[in-house]
Amino acid sequence: DIQMTQSPSSLSASVGDGVTITCRASQSINTYLNWYQQKPGRAPQLLIYAASSLQSGVPSRFSGSGSGTDFTLTISSLQPEDFATYYCQQSYSTPVTFGQGTKLDIK
Amino acid sequence: QVQLQESGPGPVKPSETLSLTCSVSGDSISNYYWSWIRQPAGKGLEWIGRIYTSGTTNYNPSLKSRVTMSGDTSKNQFSLKLSSVTAADTAVYFCARDRYCTSATCSHSDYWGPGILVTVSS
Repeated sequence: DIQMTQSPSSLSASVGDGVTITCRASQSINTYLNWYQQKPGRAPQLLIYAASSLQSGVPSRFSGSGSGTDFTLTISSLQPEDFATYYCQQSYSTPVTFGQGTKLDIK
Repeated sequence: QVQLQESGPGPVKPSETLSLTCSVSGDSISNYYWSWIRQPAGKGLEWIGRIYTSGTTNYNPSLKSRVTMSGDTSKNQFSLKLSSVTAADTAVYFCARDRYCTSATCSHSDYWGPGILVTVSS
C-alpha cells in the first residue's frame, strides 16, 4: 500500500492567516492526489483533485500543488469556516489511502 | 444535485454481518463507480472498496476476505456487507461517488453521504 504522511498533524492559526499543509507519498503517485476538508460530525468534502484542480464551488483561497511524492495544500487567507481537519488521499493505485489528517484550529 | 444516504439496521453483534445500503438520488448509479469509506471515532479514513454496477468490484486487501458489495439499479442503490465483524469494525461508514475512473482506479470522490455510525457490540 502507498503510505501518505501529512505534516503538521495539527496547526493553530488566526483568521486572515495563510497556511500550508504538506503531504508526502511513500512512492511516486504522479498527480493522483486529492485534498478533503472534514468538519466534526460531517462527511469529508472534496477541495482539490488531481493535485491542483479546484473542485467546483470551492473558494479560490484554496490551492494545491505538487507531483510525484510531495504535495501542498495552501489556504491563502483563513476564514472562520476553514477551521477543520484536512486529509490528503492518493488515488494512483488501490487500495486508495489517506493521510492521517491535519487539524487546523483557531489560535 | 446528487445526494447519497446511508442506511442500515443498527447495532451489530460480534461475528455477525454488517449490512449497509446507500441510496442515491439526482443521478443514476449506472453511470459511475461508487465507494465505501469508514472512519473510527476520532481516527482517520479507511477506504473499504468500490463497485461499478456492471458488477466490477475492487476491495481493500485488508478487508477483502470479509467484504461484499453489490448494486441494485432498479432501486438506484448499492450495498455493503462486512462479515465476521469485531469491535474494530465500529466506525462511521460513508458512501461516495467516484469520478474519472478507469478499470484500474478513479480520480476522486466528489459526493459523499452524511455517514452512518455502526457499533459492534454484544
